[in-house]
Amino acid sequence: AQSVTQLDSQVPVFEEAPVELRCNYSSSVSVYLFWYVQYPNQGLQLLLKYLSGSTLVKGINGFEAEFNKSQTSFHLRKPSVHISDTAEYFCAVSPPAGSNYQLIWGAGTKLIIKP
Amino acid sequence: DTEVTQTPKHLVMGMTNKKSLKCEQHMGHRAMYWYKQKAKKPPELMFVYSYEKLSINESVPSRFSPECPNSSLLNLHLHALQPEDSALYLCASRQGLAGNNEQFFGPGTRLTVL
Repeated sequence: AQSVTQLDSQVPVFEEAPVELRCNYSSSVSVYLFWYVQYPNQGLQLLLKYLSGSTLVKGINGFEAEFNKSQTSFHLRKPSVHISDTAEYFCAVSPPAGSNYQLIWGAGTKLIIKP
Repeated sequence: DTEVTQTPKHLVMGMTNKKSLKCEQHMGHRAMYWYKQKAKKPPELMFVYSYEKLSINESVPSRFSPECPNSSLLNLHLHALQPEDSALYLCASRQGLAGNNEQFFGPGTRLTVL
């Protein structure tokens, strides 16, 4: 079985400052890793994903994440945030096969941008 | 067309009503999902259809009834709901091929049960 822990329920950060949202996972098998963003009153949008290969993954809107197998982490980073990045961010994992590739979700991190 | 559409956007219904939520995608995806999301929580999986067949039902009460009429459409029929069923209902689709398991989400239907 897999589980995902997002260590911070809220992260306040000033506009144009860098941000890191933390995600750790637990799994006895290899997994695929995802970050989704949910803007207020909207559905979820994929920011980036790690399936295999390079451990540094670049996504949309200037976000990137680094897969660290030894630390079982997949932290999301952005060097300079904008007010429009205010949203809920979800980390998720999925086994590479079986169970219709169900996503196991973290609890979410609310990114609050302070002007 | 790279999007999942959902209708209606908002729905208010009484506990004795029957209503349906609709989801549509034209990306040729063969797996489709229904999720329920409460405020400030991650989505909870309800149903999965794979190649138009129900493959996962996560112990959802029978007052929720899914239907997949064809590979592009997914419905969720609602009957005799309870106020605690009020939530955002999200539909998602996935290509269905091994190794490519990104899920594409629709904007959701905000359901209020009075």
